[in-house]
Amino acid sequence: GQNIDQPTEMTATEGAIVQINCTYQTSGFNGLFWYQQHAGEAPTFLSYNVLDGLEEKGRFSSFLSRSKGYSYLLLKELQMKDSASYLCAVRDSNYQLIWGAGTKLIIKP
Amino acid sequence: GAVVSQHPSWVICKSGTSVKIECRSLDFQATTMFWYRQFPKQSLMLMATSNEGSKATYEQGVEKDKFLINHASLTLSTLTVTSAHPEDSSFYICSAQRPGSGNQPQHFGDGTRLSIL
Repeated sequence: GQNIDQPTEMTATEGAIVQINCTYQTSGFNGLFWYQQHAGEAPTFLSYNVLDGLEEKGRFSSFLSRSKGYSYLLLKELQMKDSASYLCAVRDSNYQLIWGAGTKLIIKP
Repeated sequence: GAVVSQHPSWVICKSGTSVKIECRSLDFQATTMFWYRQFPKQSLMLMATSNEGSKATYEQGVEKDKFLINHASLTLSTLTVTSAHPEDSSFYICSAQRPGSGNQPQHFGDGTRLSIL
């Protein structure tokens, strides 16, 4: 079966750095996406990786290793507004999007 | 700005009522749209894939007669929850993907919070 694993919850301090990991086992691979979802709101797109390596977008970076079936989302200079759930999703060989359960990130002052 | 519009944002109605939710792609034509449901503190669950001009593809366990999907144009898909009951109360979210290469993400509407009394 297809499976995406990410931690259920993480806690970090304002101003710090946090890394949210995602491992996947899917039927084929056509890209990995990270989304942010604030409580009660719809997800918003953060990043896309299809080749190995690091993609940087401001305070957020996403890394992919296809051989290891592994990705992480790195958030720097954490702000209180970064408190949200972060969803990892993989597009499989049929271009279906397989979703992880999300990681709830709690930022403390 | 938003690329996918979803209406209404909130619906509160009596048990037995049918509720229609609209999802529009604002600046592109979407041959495929997606409908998700999310219960509190749980992950997104894909309900169905809406295909313009043809029948929707439903995920296992989703009742086709309960959740009617119509994708009559390239910019509009509708989800109708028929004879809704309290257990249908949930957060329903649609998404659409710009046509083109596989690196296009799904863009989500703002979601519809459905409460059945």
